[in-house]
Amino acid sequence: DAGITQSPRHKVTETGTPVTLRCHQTENHRYMYWYRQDPGHGLRLIHYSYGVKDTDKGEVSDGYSVSRSKTEDFLLTLESATSSQTSVYFCAISAPEKGGNYGYTFGSGTRLTVV
Amino acid sequence: LAKTTQPISMDSYEGQEVNITCSHNNIATNDYITWYQQFPSQGPRFIIQGYKTKVTNEVASLFIPADRKSSTLSLPRVSLSDTAVYYCLVGEEDTGRRALTFGSGTRLQVQP
Repeated sequence: DAGITQSPRHKVTETGTPVTLRCHQTENHRYMYWYRQDPGHGLRLIHYSYGVKDTDKGEVSDGYSVSRSKTEDFLLTLESATSSQTSVYFCAISAPEKGGNYGYTFGSGTRLTVV
Repeated sequence: LAKTTQPISMDSYEGQEVNITCSHNNIATNDYITWYQQFPSQGPRFIIQGYKTKVTNEVASLFIPADRKSSTLSLPRVSLSDTAVYYCLVGEEDTGRRALTFGSGTRLQVQP
């Protein structure tokens, strides 16, 4: 979707290595989220941010950390990648403070494979 | 967040109307009902949101009975391109701090 970009789109990494995924938005939205999607589990929330330097854990945060030093960027780091973290990662943004029924806008996803 | 229950999968044919029902028996007074659509290899896309009665936009209609314990997403005259997974979510209207939780959704397959 326009306004939200994830990078890289695909990545293969080795077990034990750190990996950082980037989510970049041009919408100046306050809230940003990282989800992972696995077959049979739908989307599960990893971490979210409600402002610069303000983050909180989701339901599957173990093994992940996040940082948000600028409004437009939300980084997800796998501190030491494991095979169980092979997944598709989606970033989302929302702006409830702006009102309206726009919901969340999701990026196109990053497919991560840990070998 | 209210738990939702929706069918795992549905099949339809082009040109038919498709209705996907979602149950949310413990919906709270402040909760809204939101539907998302997800195509393969893409992130979910917001379709429609409602609180009560009926909401219609260019993509779909959302029917919510008076007790709000269920809702029905209606897709008129589906085409092959409507093949996707549809998620029903219930929660306070986009508060930001309470991120939405997605279930497994309903996989809609539209046949020619």
